[in-house]
Amino acid sequence: DVVMTQTPLSLSVTPGQPASISCKSSQSLLHRDGKTYLYWYLQKPGQSPQLLIYEVSNRFSGVTDRFSGSGSGTDFTLKISRVEAEDVGVYYCMQSIEHPRTFGQGTKVEIK
Amino acid sequence: EVHLVESGGGLVQPGGSLRLSCAASGFTFSTYWMTWVRQAPGKGLEWLANIKEDGSEKNYVDSVKGRFTISRDNGKNSVYLQMNSLRAEDTAVYYCIRDRRWERLFDYWGQGTLVTVSS
Repeated sequence: DVVMTQTPLSLSVTPGQPASISCKSSQSLLHRDGKTYLYWYLQKPGQSPQLLIYEVSNRFSGVTDRFSGSGSGTDFTLKISRVEAEDVGVYYCMQSIEHPRTFGQGTKVEIK
Repeated sequence: EVHLVESGGGLVQPGGSLRLSCAASGFTFSTYWMTWVRQAPGKGLEWLANIKEDGSEKNYVDSVKGRFTISRDNGKNSVYLQMNSLRAEDTAVYYCIRDRRWERLFDYWGQGTLVTVSS
């Protein structure tokens, strides 16, 4: 199985400041079709997870442009340009290059 | 508007069985893969299984293979998870998800249903 490793596991951020989460996969997520199957989900407190970013860097419908994704191969990053109170929650990266799909451990983001 | 509503969770003894249901609405159910993901209390997300639009292809994570069975009824716009030989470590909130397979993303999640395995 593809192992997804996130760092840090927790992050405390001052509102208006940037934040960054790293995700590393145990094997390349670049598929032979040319796409890289790396996703970012956010689970806000008391809610179901929601999709933020798909295929490394594409913002899902309705997602603010304060969120951006980057990376390639096995190393990926989610960046929040200016953290707001509504961004608190647990962020998960996930791979969909093969079954079983696997998630990172999650990164808990809180506001200082 | 897309809605996914899970049901069937509850308290079950170790070794017992439970069948989760997910009722879908607001989209053409028969044209989407569907997925189940779970989350143990205070823990992260674990992908469990998915099923093709017509039910002809299914995939499972090893931890549930042989114990859990995913199925669907396109006439009832529903997907199911039959869980047998339940263990304490199966205690979790179970989410039903719409799977956009061509982009391999999960765009809609249900609110989840809690399964507790305990004597």
